[in-house]
Amino acid sequence: QKEVEQNSGPLSVPEGAIASLNCTYSDRGSQSFFWYRQYSGKSPELIMSIYSNGDKEDGRFTAQLNKASQYVSLLIRDSQPSDSATYLCAVTLGSDYKLSFGAGTTVTVRA
Amino acid sequence: NAGVMQNPRHLVRRRGQEARLRCSPMKGHSHVYWYRQLPEEGLKFMVYLQKENIIDESGMPKERFSAEFPKEGPSILRIQQVVRGDSAAYFCASSPPGGGSEKLFFGSGTQLSVL
Repeated sequence: QKEVEQNSGPLSVPEGAIASLNCTYSDRGSQSFFWYRQYSGKSPELIMSIYSNGDKEDGRFTAQLNKASQYVSLLIRDSQPSDSATYLCAVTLGSDYKLSFGAGTTVTVRA
Repeated sequence: NAGVMQNPRHLVRRRGQEARLRCSPMKGHSHVYWYRQLPEEGLKFMVYLQKENIIDESGMPKERFSAEFPKEGPSILRIQQVVRGDSAAYFCASSPPGGGSEKLFFGSGTQLSVL
C-alpha cells in the first residue's frame, strides 16, 4: 500500500467550475498535511496546509481533512486556466520535516 | 531574493559514471533536504542536512549515494557508478533554522538521465 495516494488524473474542468482533488494516506500518526502546486518544469509550491479536522479556506482554495478516514481533499473554486498544474498531496511521516508525497493529479482548466 | 537554486537542470550520464547535483539554499536557510521523484511516483525523501551535519539519511540508498552540506558552498548529492534506475528528478528543498515542513521551499530540480 502506498503511503499517500491521490485520485488518478488527468482532471479536466471548465473555467469557473470547481475542481475536486482527493488524497488518502496510510499512516494514522501523520499530523500535518499539505497541498503543493507544480507547474511543468517548475518547483513544487506550497498552497495549503492543514493540521486539524475540518475545512480550511484560503481564497479560492479549500482544504478538508478527516483523520478518522485518513482523507484530505482540495477544492479549487472558480477554476482559472492559470490553475492548470499538477497538484501534490503531502503528509508528514514521523517527523515535521519528512514529507511523503502522492504521485500528483494533473488538472487542466479549459477556457 | 533568489529561491533555492539547483544545477544543473539537466544532467546526462552513462552507466558507471558519477553524477554530482548541487543545491544552494535560500538566503538565511541552513537546512537542506533532498527528494527524488521517479516517473509516475511521488517525491521520496532522501536526506536532511544542516551545515556540516547529516541529520537524517534514512531515505538514502545504502550504496553509491552520498550527500554533504559543507560550511561553505552548496549542498552536493553525489551518485557514484550510476545505473539506469537512477534516472529521476532530484529536488532540493531548504528551510530556515527551526523551520518545519510548512517552511520548506523547493528548487526546480535536476533531471538526471542515465544512458
